[in-house]
Amino acid sequence: QVQLQESGPGLVKPSETLSLSCTVSGGSITSDGYYWAWIRQHPGKGLEWIGYIYYSASSPNSGSTYYNPSLKSRIAISLDTSKNQFSLKLNSVTAADTAVYYCARDLGRQGMGYYFDYWGQGMLVTVSS
Amino acid sequence: EIVMTQSPATLSVSPGERATLSCRASRSVFRSLAWYQQKPGQAPRLLIYGASTRATGIPAKFSGSGSGTEFTLTISSLQSEDIAVYYCQQYNSWQTFGQGTKVEIK
Repeated sequence: QVQLQESGPGLVKPSETLSLSCTVSGGSITSDGYYWAWIRQHPGKGLEWIGYIYYSASSPNSGSTYYNPSLKSRIAISLDTSKNQFSLKLNSVTAADTAVYYCARDLGRQGMGYYFDYWGQGMLVTVSS
Repeated sequence: EIVMTQSPATLSVSPGERATLSCRASRSVFRSLAWYQQKPGQAPRLLIYGASTRATGIPAKFSGSGSGTEFTLTISSLQSEDIAVYYCQQYNSWQTFGQGTKVEIK
């Protein structure tokens, strides 16, 4: 059974960088056929896809990434294969970035994200001074 | 960006009755459509993908239909454990979600 768990600071100051990690157990993040995604949910609102990464043998240290165009200039998603983790960095945060952040497994293929079959429990990150 | 619009925003259904939720895409997503169930304080749970294929472990009371721009999720015989917000998500062009339909017991 695949499990995902988010971790990181729950409070970030405006203009600083939000950093979250997702630890995957029960499966390897280097497995073919799986992408690893971040999704957020503003309080009381709907879901917003942030981006995903997948392991690539041609780029084993960095993976291949795709980001939501509306957030692309502020995002970086990376893999740590030694820890079976992937991470999100979102810089220059404002109060509008306050949300529950979920990591999830994406059954993507051929460079395209698909749907999400396993999710972390979610982590509330508040942006406030 | 493909915009997904769900209706109604809130659906009140009597126990044992059928619930029908709608999802419309701003342009065709073919059958690249998934449905999720989210209960309070929980992460979303995948119900349906490919517009009509139930995910592993999802009971037959949940069914999906549609293609192109119009999709439907049907919950037959609504029970208290089905009370949740339901989201559709397209994955034909990037990934976008609808705003959700809250299903409640009448």
